[in-house]
Amino acid sequence: QKEVEQDPGPLSVPEGAIVSLNCTYSNSAFQYFMWYRQYSRKGPELLMYTYSSGNKEDGRFTAQVDKSSKYISLFIRDSQPSDSATYLCAMSANNQGGKLIFGQGTELSVKP
Amino acid sequence: DAGVTQSPTHLIKTRGQQVTLRCSPKSGHDTVSWYQQALGQGPQFIFQYYEEEERQRGNFPDRFSGHQFPNYSSELNVNALLLGDSALYLCASSYQTGGETQYFGPGTRLLVL
Repeated sequence: QKEVEQDPGPLSVPEGAIVSLNCTYSNSAFQYFMWYRQYSRKGPELLMYTYSSGNKEDGRFTAQVDKSSKYISLFIRDSQPSDSATYLCAMSANNQGGKLIFGQGTELSVKP
Repeated sequence: DAGVTQSPTHLIKTRGQQVTLRCSPKSGHDTVSWYQQALGQGPQFIFQYYEEEERQRGNFPDRFSGHQFPNYSSELNVNALLLGDSALYLCASSYQTGGETQYFGPGTRLLVL
């Protein structure tokens, strides 16, 4: 069993839709949770960073962490064609000194 | 403010050869981590360098080695290349080893024939 599970998709939505992306994990020591966006043939770009449980909002993006369920989510409101990319969740523990464990990534396509 | 830079962007090698990839961290960052990303997969942690020493290592063989220079830039070396080493190699920089906020470079795409 992988430490971090993420549905690879692909996920296709119409422009303006609300997108929900999710990851589950097995290591209860994870405290830091991140979402990265990766365009084709580019490096990952940090979108959201959350410590422990709770919600965090930044513009059209909202990250949620539920440590009791070992489940994290990223919501994208009013999705745009420019949001078409692969979304990677990543997490790490206090004692791992910044070693990030990534999910497989979900490929998102937003159609005009 | 320059972000993380990597060179070269693409590389083609044959089995058994050796390769060196280079990374310059984001300004103000002192820690460099390297990741390998196979096609259709998430990045996998190779190792991390801080204060010119390897601080952490993932599940990669000794064929993978690295170095960090006094100016915080870093190299990744892979010896005795295998076909399975074909991947996107990503460098990420952060401030100190506990920096979970890591910023990635564009990557070096390595093809082993």
